[in-house]
Amino acid sequence: GAGVSQSPSNKVTEKGKDVELRCDPISGHTALYWYRQRLGQGLEFLIYFQGNSAPDKSGLPSDRFSAERTGESVSTLTIQRTQQEDSAVYLCASSLGYSHEQYFGPGTRLTVT
Amino acid sequence: EDQVTQSPEALRLQEGESSSLNCSYTVSGLRGLFWYRQDPGKGPEFLFTLYSAGEEKEKERLKATLTKKESFLHITAPKPEDSATYLCAVRKTSGSRLTFGEGTQLTVNP
Repeated sequence: GAGVSQSPSNKVTEKGKDVELRCDPISGHTALYWYRQRLGQGLEFLIYFQGNSAPDKSGLPSDRFSAERTGESVSTLTIQRTQQEDSAVYLCASSLGYSHEQYFGPGTRLTVT
Repeated sequence: EDQVTQSPEALRLQEGESSSLNCSYTVSGLRGLFWYRQDPGKGPEFLFTLYSAGEEKEKERLKATLTKKESFLHITAPKPEDSATYLCAVRKTSGSRLTFGEGTQLTVNP
């Protein structure tokens, strides 16, 4: 079946611009996660959605970062006033529930110039 | 603070040369240790979940084991297609997020 999809696959933006990254989870997966992976580093948790519960935003690095999810479908991660340190691969994952293994999308590579 | 440390950072093997990757963890209340494989330019691919000390799981040439302080990913008679970065992650009993190590980059030469 279809896996997690993300768009765009690559995004180059100028410092100070806003960007939106999209994630389409696996159908039927109630949990959705966003992670950030800087070059040569491990994945860093950003935010977690589970059904209609309030999201766990504890990993967002600043108030420039926000995310939304419509029901149990797509999610968008928005970064306002981008900075060069925001350059990274942003990965989305989904799972059947909070206790199940997470399946990752291919990521969006964000470059801030 | 939760910590996951993987070693070595990089490992180069000849085809058929078996070895092990290490993942040491410090977490208050482990609810699962996960292994993923990541190829360049792609998202991590799920391999295994281990829940309790003494548990082992196998898939083709890979076997994952778990103790109270660390996990090993054993690779038996590796092939060049096993070349990838292998990531270890832990989940606590009190949450759902994964805390990842920085990975071991494995290269298997023919």
